[in-house]
Amino acid sequence: AQRVTQPEKLLSVFKGAPVELKCNYSYSGSPELFWYVQYSRQRLQLLLRHISRESIKGFTADLNKGETSFHLKKPFAQEEDSAMYYCAIYNQGGKLIFGQGTELSVKP
Amino acid sequence: NAGVTQTPKFRVLKTGQSMTLLCAQDMNHEYMYWYRQDPGMGLRLIHYSVGEGTTAKGEVPDGYNVSRLKKQNFLLGLESAAPSQTSVYFCASSGDGNSPLHFGNGTRLTVT
Repeated sequence: AQRVTQPEKLLSVFKGAPVELKCNYSYSGSPELFWYVQYSRQRLQLLLRHISRESIKGFTADLNKGETSFHLKKPFAQEEDSAMYYCAIYNQGGKLIFGQGTELSVKP
Repeated sequence: NAGVTQTPKFRVLKTGQSMTLLCAQDMNHEYMYWYRQDPGMGLRLIHYSVGEGTTAKGEVPDGYNVSRLKKQNFLLGLESAAPSQTSVYFCASSGDGNSPLHFGNGTRLTVT
């Protein structure tokens, strides 16, 4: 069965510091992986997906099949990055399963 | 376009009462989802639908039923509410499984 694990409930960094939000997955096929973000009082929204291989708001995420990971990274965190971040995996049957979420707090 | 609209926004139920949460989308999306969000548990999939007239179980389907009689609507029912169903419920839709999900604003449900 597909599963997503985000080991950190809370990650606190100072402004300008690098940040890495961890995501590990288990899936027998070729995974489709996503990062979603929920800013305070806003709807959940897509941040990025691995097939796009793009950088959004300075964030990147690389799929590592050997380590079954899809960690989210940003070299210099900003205060406006403070939010809840969810890693998610999709299977071909239509299920999109989310991880437990990591709350990122960027302090001035 | 309104996107994904959930009603109601808030509700308080007593144990054993029933209710239906409505999700409506105006994007002609095929896929629709119901999730619950609990502290420390993240988002858990309750039920989902890959098209009008279809439904499927997610990770935590027990105690919930769903219907997708019309493409634009996805209803989540609680037949006999329990305190364990106190949560924030999110509906989402997508054009297909690979497309980004569009989320509603959530429904905060409290069962006493």
